[in-house]
Amino acid sequence: EPEVTQTPSHQVTQMGQEVILRCVPISNHLYFYWYRQILGQKVEFLVSFYNNEISEKSEIFDDQFSVERPDGSNFTLKIRSTKLEDSAMYFCASSDRSGRGSDTQYFGPGTRLTVL
Amino acid sequence: AQSVAQPEDQVNVAEGNPLTVKCTYSVSGNPYLFWYVQYPNRGLQFLLKYITGDNLVKGSYGFEAEFNKSQTSFHLKKPSALVSDSALYFCAVRDPRDTGRRALTFGSGTRLQVQP
Repeated sequence: EPEVTQTPSHQVTQMGQEVILRCVPISNHLYFYWYRQILGQKVEFLVSFYNNEISEKSEIFDDQFSVERPDGSNFTLKIRSTKLEDSAMYFCASSDRSGRGSDTQYFGPGTRLTVL
Repeated sequence: AQSVAQPEDQVNVAEGNPLTVKCTYSVSGNPYLFWYVQYPNRGLQFLLKYITGDNLVKGSYGFEAEFNKSQTSFHLKKPSALVSDSALYFCAVRDPRDTGRRALTFGSGTRLQVQP
């Protein structure tokens, strides 16, 4: 069964450093997403990406964040200058395209980002 | 704005007994509703969704959920709980009228503990 994969599983970085989180969505999916879950809190939407551009983003997704699909398989989230409050589990998700928006989002196992 | 509430932080049930994990939503009109499960150190796994039609939705691992429009609820149920069902369960909602918005809004999660 196809699944979303993410690397690394755990990333430790110093405050102010740049990090890139990587995801390989399910191969025939067209929509890609990033969510985050701060420890003990709810899962929060960051951004969605379709047709090589951002289609929606939350207020969390400020100028420190960027996304990219550098090739036909990878989808990345970059945080330019990490802050302590960026420590969280970051989930990538993908879905196929449904005209009614009823498509299911399938999530990867997550990358735990720890900012020291 | 769309929102979802999971009123119970934790649900305890004995193995073999029926379980219910509660979810209520707030969306103008008919929502798209989803249940996901998160096992320790794992990502979110899709269980089931309600889009339209039959109010009783059957999903993975013997779980089902009932959409109740008058009570704006989408409670997750299973007739006979297993110890292996112990996990964190998330309800999520999306407003289908907003076709430009695909982000899921998650509840705060309910931890299910099934005692042997």
